This record gives sequence, structure tokens and C-alpha cells, in this order.
Amino acid sequence: EAGVTQSPRYAVLQEGQAVSFWCDPISGHDTLYWYQQPRDQGPQLLVYFRDEAVIDNSQLPSDRFSAVRPKGTNSTLKIQSAKQGDTATYLCASSPWTGGGTLYFGAGTRLSVL
Amino acid sequence: GEQVEQLPSILRVQEGSSASINCTYENSASNYFPWYKQEPGENPKLIIDIRSNMERKQTQGLIVLLDKKAKRFSLHITDTQPGDSAMYFCAASVDNNAPRFGAGTKLSVKP
Repeated sequence: EAGVTQSPRYAVLQEGQAVSFWCDPISGHDTLYWYQQPRDQGPQLLVYFRDEAVIDNSQLPSDRFSAVRPKGTNSTLKIQSAKQGDTATYLCASSPWTGGGTLYFGAGTRLSVL
Repeated sequence: GEQVEQLPSILRVQEGSSASINCTYENSASNYFPWYKQEPGENPKLIIDIRSNMERKQTQGLIVLLDKKAKRFSLHITDTQPGDSAMYFCAASVDNNAPRFGAGTKLSVKP
């Protein structure tokens, strides 16, 4: 069974540039999560979806970040104008929509904003 | 939102001894408590979890305890090995909501 696939693996930007991250969840998993993990810190939830619907995006900096999952499968997270404080690993995870269960994480995209 | 506090942030133990990590949570409705292990350059992977209908769970050298009254849960690694060296994260969630993670514990097991 294929795991969660993310691309790119690495991104290096200057401040003010835009970047998009792509995630392909495990087939059959209707719930998809985006977490931001700064170096040596725990994953911090940005947004999560059930199918194509946003369930919670309250932690997503809406002025510069956006996330979509138009067909309820793949998802894209975009940073419009990156800041140095966005430097982190962006983790995508998926799971079935059940009452609490294992999250399967992708390898992540390591972003450095110079 | 849900806040999960995790301590200690750094833990160094001798091989063969046990290691303990403690977490507290705010929301008394939390009912699912997973633990993830993350090795350098890798993604977090679930190692053990416990639901609110249990107070203790054990598997393969790992023990998780849950004290709902104190809103506290803990991971105990018995007979630690160098391969146990990694970052460990606790998390808590309510029903279908996304888990919130603690800040992590960096465990180093010295041979």
C-alpha cells in the first residue's frame, strides 16, 4: 500500500516569494491534515479536510496561506508571500474519518525562507 | 484550542534503564491519546495509543498511563536501547477532531 506522498521534498525561497506544496494521501483516507513543524518542535495543525470540505482552518494564517482539496483526494498548500518565520517542515497526513485514529504522515517538505 | 504540554524537552538515559515522558491536556472531552516517534529526517510514526476508556496499555516495552481526573498521560519506555533515541510526541484529540501535539521530547539513550 502506497503511503502519503508529498512534493517537493525541499524548497528554498527568498522572503516575498510564493511556494506550493502538494500532497497525495493514502487511497481511501477521506481526512487530510496539514501540519507545520518548526525545527525541534511538535507538529502544529494548520488545516484539515474531510473529503473536499475544510473542517478547521482557524490556525491557518489566512492572509498568506491557503489550502484546497477540490476533489477530496490530493491537496495543495500555498504560501503567497513567504516570511523567514515560515521556515519549517510542512507535514501532510491522512486518516480514515473515525473517532480518533492513526495519522499517517508523509515525508514532509522542508522549507527554508532566507 | 486544545493545548498539550509535554515534559521533559530533553531526556538522557543509560541503556537498559527506563525513560518516562509526561503530558497534560486542557480539554476534558479529549478521548484519544496517541504517541508518535520521529527519527532524524523521518516523518512521525505512531508507536502506541490509548483511549479514554482505558487507564493503562502496554505493548513491546512501551507502557502508556492515562489519568483522566488529572488530565495527564505518560509514556514509559522500559529497558531502553540506543535505537530508542529519537523525538517523541504526545497528542490529544476529541472524537474526530485533529490531534494537537506536544512540543516533543528528545530522548538520547547512551550505550
